[in-house]
Amino acid sequence: NAGVTQTPKFRVLKTGQSMTLLCAQDMNHEYMYWYRQDPGMGLRLIHYSVGEGTTAKGEVPDGYNVSRLKKQNFLLGLESAAPSQTSVYFCASRDRVLGQPQHFGDGTRLSIL
Amino acid sequence: GQNIDQPTEMTATEGAIVQINCTYQTSGFNGLFWYQQHAGEAPTFLSYNVLDGLEEKGRFSSFLSRSKGYSYLLLKELQMKDSASYLCAVSRGGSARQLTFGSGTQLTVLP
Repeated sequence: NAGVTQTPKFRVLKTGQSMTLLCAQDMNHEYMYWYRQDPGMGLRLIHYSVGEGTTAKGEVPDGYNVSRLKKQNFLLGLESAAPSQTSVYFCASRDRVLGQPQHFGDGTRLSIL
Repeated sequence: GQNIDQPTEMTATEGAIVQINCTYQTSGFNGLFWYQQHAGEAPTFLSYNVLDGLEEKGRFSSFLSRSKGYSYLLLKELQMKDSASYLCAVSRGGSARQLTFGSGTQLTVLP
């Protein structure tokens, strides 16, 4: 029972490089979310999806794009990485029933040099 | 807008009781979650309150007062493994029930 799986777990990029973070969930959840977590700032929502083929902006969407081509996968892309995007990225999913908690992946630690 | 406040750090002794407070100002309130996060790990769900009152779950309890915009997490019989960050998160309305998180309270349990 894997739950929410994020790949990769660690990555170092140079400024201007691009990359995609993958989130996969095996719980048949409708909703999926991408957060970033920085020291002293808590978790901030980047983008989210309420179902296959749909995405929406969260609190801090600039510099990121997302896609939800399959229900179980939610991809986060950085087209041109910047040092300000150095962070820990968490993916989460939840069932659509009211009151259900979000389930988090183990995170991706990303450093932009 | 959203504003969630919780203390940055707290220290308590093994076996004791500790209360972590959370105050919030938000529109479209739809419930409040508490998560635990150990260093370097993912947040894990502890409790959910949508109505006023106390929810008890073993050593952990959570309280909500919607009129006061206030919640607390109560941890009893503290153990060393309870040393972690505790995140308060408010659920807003809308189809995706987005969560807005506080900055977290780092709890250190001393022997």
